[in-house]
Amino acid sequence: QVQLRESGPGLLKPSETLSLTCTVSGGSMTSDYWSWFRQPPGKGLEWLGLIYYSGNTNYNPSLKSRVIISLDTSKNQFSLRLSSVTAADTAMYFCTSGSGWLPEYWGQGTLVTVSS
Amino acid sequence: EIVLTQSPGTLSLSPGERATLSCRASQSVTNNYLAWFQQRPGQAPRLLIYDATNRATGVPDRFSGSGSGTDFTLSISRLEPEDFAVYYCQQSSHAPLTFGGGTKVEIK
Repeated sequence: QVQLRESGPGLLKPSETLSLTCTVSGGSMTSDYWSWFRQPPGKGLEWLGLIYYSGNTNYNPSLKSRVIISLDTSKNQFSLRLSSVTAADTAMYFCTSGSGWLPEYWGQGTLVTVSS
Repeated sequence: EIVLTQSPGTLSLSPGERATLSCRASQSVTNNYLAWFQQRPGQAPRLLIYDATNRATGVPDRFSGSGSGTDFTLSISRLEPEDFAVYYCQQSSHAPLTFGGGTKVEIK
């Protein structure tokens, strides 16, 4: 079964770029879809975007100009970059995988706080 | 964007009772690509139901999904203590992928 683990800085200042990595184990990255979601404290879930193993991406239009998702199959990792962060980007960030767009497997999540 | 509306916002029930959760979509969910997730405090969401009616691996059979098009339901036949949590519906038929606002199932 696929296991995912998010890693990256937990604290950022406004206007900085958020960079997170998801490390994948127990599965091959030469198939499947790899996604990022987030959940502000006490609120609901938001999809940020996904990348297919071929490198094709699909982003949430609400964030499209700020988000980039990339894949490094040699390291069994995929990454999220979100530029120009504000306090509204404070959230738990989750990486997921699935054979289609459905997020079947989830990482435990990593909390990112944006504060000056 | 497909907007998913869940009701009720909170469901207060006792262990052993039946829970019925509703999810309505603003437009038809193609191929019934509608899933249900359970989220306990401090944990990641857990996939329960996919394609509206299929239980994910390891999910107890007291959980069942039904519906098609724009109206979907998650039923829990007899609530166990570990079932008290927040439940989200989610659609994967159109980008952007979207979630409902959640239904909290709490102990009465």
